[in-house]
Amino acid sequence: AAGVIQSPRHLIKEKRETATLKCYPIPRHDTVYWYQQGPGQDPQFLISFYEKMQSDKGSIPDRFSAQQFSDYHSELNMSSLELGDSALYFCASSQLLAGSYEQYFGPGTRLTVT
Amino acid sequence: AQSVTQLGSHVSVSEGALVLLRCNYSSSVPPYLFWYVQYPNQGLQLLLKYTSAATLVKGINGFEAEFKKSETSFHLTKPSAHMSDAAEYFCAVTKNAGGTSYGKLTFGQGTILTVHP
Repeated sequence: AAGVIQSPRHLIKEKRETATLKCYPIPRHDTVYWYQQGPGQDPQFLISFYEKMQSDKGSIPDRFSAQQFSDYHSELNMSSLELGDSALYFCASSQLLAGSYEQYFGPGTRLTVT
Repeated sequence: AQSVTQLGSHVSVSEGALVLLRCNYSSSVPPYLFWYVQYPNQGLQLLLKYTSAATLVKGINGFEAEFKKSETSFHLTKPSAHMSDAAEYFCAVTKNAGGTSYGKLTFGQGTILTVHP
């Protein structure tokens, strides 16, 4: 079965640089979520999109932005990177319109800021 | 606002022993509850879910959980631990609020399960 795809899997950036993370949800899933998991932490919700519209926003810094495109893939753009942005970034997708709140997670992108 | 509390950041059991991972939730509306497992350097895999149907929920890999409203709990159990169960387990909650809920998950702090021979 198709799963959530994230790219790249690993990313190393320097402080003040910009990073773009990509997410390809499971086909026919209408909702995409982004989470950040710091070392030894639980995942924290950043932002979500339902049918290409931003549906909810969590503790996402103003330096971050995200969007969902017409083909349903999503990108998380991170600017002015700080050391504290080093984390695992997960994308998840679900079929809310079908009444399913199960979220299926991708393998994550490990971002290291040096 | 919803929240979950996982009691015990580390649980250690012997292979073949009962696994019990505790999760208590707080929610102002009927919740949906989930257990996820995370192996090192991997994503989160859904083990099981409670979505207001049966209170005893069976999941993958022999795990099950029981929703107890009176205790606001959703503990995860497995009768017999296997070495391959060693991982970190997260309890998560989302609102069951129909059209106003877009399903964002709030996670507990996680419990690392160690299984020794």
